[in-house]
Amino acid sequence: GAVVSQHPSWVICKSGTSVKIECRSLDFQATTMFWYRQFPKQSLMLMATSNEGSKATYEQGVEKDKFLINHASLTLSTLTVTSAHPEDSSFYICSARDLGAGRAGANVLTFGAGSRLTVL
Amino acid sequence: AQSVTQLDSQVPVFEEAPVELRCNYSSSVSVYLFWYVQYPNQGLQLLLKYLSGSTLVKGINGFEAEFNKSQTSFHLRKPSVHISDTAEYFCAVSENQAGTALIFGKGTTLSVSS
Repeated sequence: GAVVSQHPSWVICKSGTSVKIECRSLDFQATTMFWYRQFPKQSLMLMATSNEGSKATYEQGVEKDKFLINHASLTLSTLTVTSAHPEDSSFYICSARDLGAGRAGANVLTFGAGSRLTVL
Repeated sequence: AQSVTQLDSQVPVFEEAPVELRCNYSSSVSVYLFWYVQYPNQGLQLLLKYLSGSTLVKGINGFEAEFNKSQTSFHLRKPSVHISDTAEYFCAVSENQAGTALIFGKGTTLSVSS
């Protein structure tokens, strides 16, 4: 089945530094990937929709300049948290839809295992 | 826009007992509905989905859910739970178009004890 890989799974960084998280679809192509953020014991909040070859679409309240999203190919999207601060510490999860899944897979998203960011 | 309400934040049950996790949604358009499970420090795994057709949907691990359009509900059920079912369960909704994002409920923590 479809697999989405996220890297790194855990990252600790100092305040003020930038961190890049990669999201790869391993065995399928995805023109659209979604980035979610999850706080402890809470639900997943959609941050942005990443579109291959074009700018990402951000949800209201999400800072575009802080959370840079690049979708350079059909199998890779990256999320860069710039000038990270402790309040950016969270669990970031990406997801993608298998273009080749056809009607049976309509809008079924495959999720990565998530990346836990801790900013000191 | 869509929204999802999971009515129970925590559901404690004993092993081998039946369980129902409730989910209601609101939307002005037709929707797809999903249940995902999340184990600690892991991503989400799809349990089942409703896209169209039969309103009773069977998923993995013995779970099933029923789509009720009149009550805008999509409750998840399992007739007999195991300790290993202890996890966080999320109900999600999207427009019935491919490529749209999923909107999640706040989650229900299912705790199964012996």
